[in-house]
Amino acid sequence: AQKITQTQPGMFVQEKEAVTLDCTYDTSDPSYGLFWYKQPSSGEMIFLIYQGSYDQQNATEGRYSLNFQKARKSANLVISASQLGDSAMYFCAMRARRGGGTSYGKLTFGQGTILTVHP
Amino acid sequence: ETGVTQTPRHLVMGMTNKKSLKCEQHLGHNAMYWYKQSAKKPLELMFVYNFKEQTENNSVPSRFSPECPNSSHLFLHLHTLQPEDSALYLCASSQDERERTDTQYFGPGTRLTVL
Repeated sequence: AQKITQTQPGMFVQEKEAVTLDCTYDTSDPSYGLFWYKQPSSGEMIFLIYQGSYDQQNATEGRYSLNFQKARKSANLVISASQLGDSAMYFCAMRARRGGGTSYGKLTFGQGTILTVHP
Repeated sequence: ETGVTQTPRHLVMGMTNKKSLKCEQHLGHNAMYWYKQSAKKPLELMFVYNFKEQTENNSVPSRFSPECPNSSHLFLHLHTLQPEDSALYLCASSQDERERTDTQYFGPGTRLTVL
């Protein structure tokens, strides 16, 4: 079974500081993809960053980077130089192959972390 | 970014009404999804269409009926809903759900209230 765990219901950060949002995952498939999404209060889910299980380097996308520790099965999102507009819910998600097959299926989402950026 | 659009953005309906949610994607994708997001609950996948074939029905009650006439359009037909069906309904699209790197792009959602 695939599982994503986000243990931080809420996080606070000062503007311009960096913040790390935790995500751990569980799968028996050695080939999987990890995703982070941002959901502002407006509701739309915005794709931020992707990390593949075979990628040698941590993914980066502007101020977002993924601290990928495969042995620990963690894929933490690091947001540098936080901005007020970063205040939102953040979801970690994973895709792995279903039932030992060759094709990948649905995304499994975590519970989310609410990030609040203080001025 | 208007890659995935959803209408209406807000909907209030009685339990005896019939309504439909519409989703349209302009990204040339082949897969489309319906998710339900209730307050204080994780995102729930409802239906998936890949290349117009339904590949997932996540034990969704029959009062929700999806329709995917082509790769660009997805509908969710609603009838005799319950108050607990009040939620944010999100549509998403992606290139091909069978691929590991496949990234889903979401619409703005329809906030549904059932009275």
